[in-house]
Amino acid sequence: GESVGLHLPTLSVQEGDNSIINCAYSNSASDYFIWYKQESGKGPQFIIDIRSNMDKRQGQRVTVLLNKTVKHLSLQIAATQPGDSAVYFCAEAVRDNYGQNFVFGPGTRLSVLP
Amino acid sequence: ETGVTQTPRHLVMGMTNKKSLKCEQHLGHNAMYWYKQSAKKPLELMFVYNFKEQTENNSVPSRFSPECPNSSHLFLHLHTLQPEDSALYLCASSHRGLAGVPPSYNEQFFGPGTRLTVL
Repeated sequence: GESVGLHLPTLSVQEGDNSIINCAYSNSASDYFIWYKQESGKGPQFIIDIRSNMDKRQGQRVTVLLNKTVKHLSLQIAATQPGDSAVYFCAEAVRDNYGQNFVFGPGTRLSVLP
Repeated sequence: ETGVTQTPRHLVMGMTNKKSLKCEQHLGHNAMYWYKQSAKKPLELMFVYNFKEQTENNSVPSRFSPECPNSSHLFLHLHTLQPEDSALYLCASSHRGLAGVPPSYNEQFFGPGTRLTVL
């Protein structure tokens, strides 16, 4: 039968625990990646980015890891809070003459349990 | 607030209606984008405008017609849509480089989206 919707991977974590959200990208030539957070009723919001000349970048409570060998990106959220509940998207840059467009992953829904 | 606004936030229209979505950015960016976000597919890029010129049209049906009168405003004109066009339409903006200039690394800022329902 017809799918009723995109099945988003879901991650449920206890408040205060660490969260790890994973993403596989497709283009080995991609040199720039972004993680976005999308809360209900809002547009995607930038969290953190990383260029391909790095394998780790840290922000406030968030860390992005890049493994170019296996084309894998992860987002780690420390001490997860209820406000972190959202859908998280990774985006890889696709280059053209003017800069980049982004190809977005399907997203992962993070649910924070009290 | 991201500095990108979209109106209306919600829109219900019949298949024979004509309507327009509006996006405005207050960030001084030179590129604007339309995305479609539906329940069945990941975020899809529809159109890209760079310095008011359309530089990308990702095989979007002609019933969607973009317009970019200046670097701060972007419209999406809708005509004879189908029920499967029901989705969240997101506008984004960013800095973008000039042709031939070394690549830039610039995030895109998204508006809150217009939730479109086609009956």
